[in-house]
Amino acid sequence: GAVVSQHPSWVICKSGTSVKIECRSLDFQATTMFWYRQFPKQSLMLMATSNEGSKATYEQGVEKDKFLINHASLTLSTLTVTSAHPEDSSFYICSAPPHRGRNEKLFFGSGTQLSVL
Amino acid sequence: AQTVTQSQPEMSVQEAETVTLSCTYDTSESDYYLFWYKQPPSRQMILVIRQEAYKQQNATENRFSVNFQKAAKSFSLKISDSQLGDAAMYFCAYRSQGGSEKLVFGKGTKLTVNP
Repeated sequence: GAVVSQHPSWVICKSGTSVKIECRSLDFQATTMFWYRQFPKQSLMLMATSNEGSKATYEQGVEKDKFLINHASLTLSTLTVTSAHPEDSSFYICSAPPHRGRNEKLFFGSGTQLSVL
Repeated sequence: AQTVTQSQPEMSVQEAETVTLSCTYDTSESDYYLFWYKQPPSRQMILVIRQEAYKQQNATENRFSVNFQKAAKSFSLKISDSQLGDAAMYFCAYRSQGGSEKLVFGKGTKLTVNP
């Protein structure tokens, strides 16, 4: 079945540095990918929708200059947390629908735990 | 905007017994999809079951079944013959039929299975 690969699985960084998280669709093309954030013991909150070849769509309250999303190809979307601070520490998960417009289940990456010191 | 409510932060069940997790949602749309996702300690999201709103028949997947009440906007998950491996966070999710395929999640229910 379709697989979404996300890495790194975990990353620790110093406050003020930038971190890039990659999300790849391994055996299908994804024109759209979704980025979610999950704080401890909380639900998944959609941050943004990444669109191949165009600008990402951000949810209300998400800083687009802080969370840079690039969807440069049909199989790769990246989320860069710029100038990370401890409050950005969270679990980030990407997901992608394998066939746009069809009732197909979303496939999720395995997530990235970001810890900012 | 659509909202999903899970009113049970935690539930427990004895192994081999049956447990029902509750979910209600709010929407003005007539066509949509509903899902139950499982998130074990690994935190990998796993699709448990899904339901198309236009279908009256409740979805079933082996030991998992739903009670979909469209008028009441209720979508509960029943787990029969509970197993230790069922222990996880369970999230109810809503997706519109058209447009974006993004999911709106409830806050989740932590299920504990006691041996």
